[in-house]
Amino acid sequence: DAKTTQPPSMDCAEGRAANLPCNHSTISGNEYVYWYRQIHSQGPQYIIHGLKNNETNEMASLIITEDRKSSTLILPHATLRDTAVYYCIVRAPFENQGGKLIFGQGTELSVKP
Amino acid sequence: GAVVSQHPSWVICKSGTSVKIECRSLDFQATTMFWYRQFPKQSLMLMATSNEGSKATYEQGVEKDKFLINHASLTLSTLTVTSAHPEDSSFYICSARDRPRTIRAKNIQYFGAGTRLSVL
Repeated sequence: DAKTTQPPSMDCAEGRAANLPCNHSTISGNEYVYWYRQIHSQGPQYIIHGLKNNETNEMASLIITEDRKSSTLILPHATLRDTAVYYCIVRAPFENQGGKLIFGQGTELSVKP
Repeated sequence: GAVVSQHPSWVICKSGTSVKIECRSLDFQATTMFWYRQFPKQSLMLMATSNEGSKATYEQGVEKDKFLINHASLTLSTLTVTSAHPEDSSFYICSARDRPRTIRAKNIQYFGAGTRLSVL
């Protein structure tokens, strides 16, 4: 699976948009980009995923560059409860090597009042 | 999203005893389940992948005789830490993925709330 690079930490003001970047320059054509977050002492929570088109759901938006070498997770109106470690993971489809989710170090997002 | 239940959430045991952790998918069938371990201030580390009805596949460096995994049904996987020692104290997290349907299907991996194991 391709590796990802994320900034170790970011701050965001409450109510503002949080834009979390992720580099995955070695991503393969069939690998998806997944985002999870982990609030302290809890299991990871699925946020969103995409292949090449931008995606939006009730939690966030995912913007993937045209060359697919990087992506940005956008939390449109961050709240204090969005404080967590955010993981960007690229994963092959389940047919390839079982499609394991391998976690990197993630970005620790602190939303401040 | 789908629900993965993990039990117990916290366990304290004496050195040398065995501890069993259960992971259940509550509203979907999970042909594949995963077990992770997380030490303080570190990321999740994949320990093993288990497929229903077959032996688990362990990641390099993980002792299969120490961490016994059983995936007997489509909704239940168990991790048994045998002869636990203080260095096995960690946060153990299970994860389950729903049945693969098509390449374009979501196949999202859902996580349990984790089990904090403290070995005295």
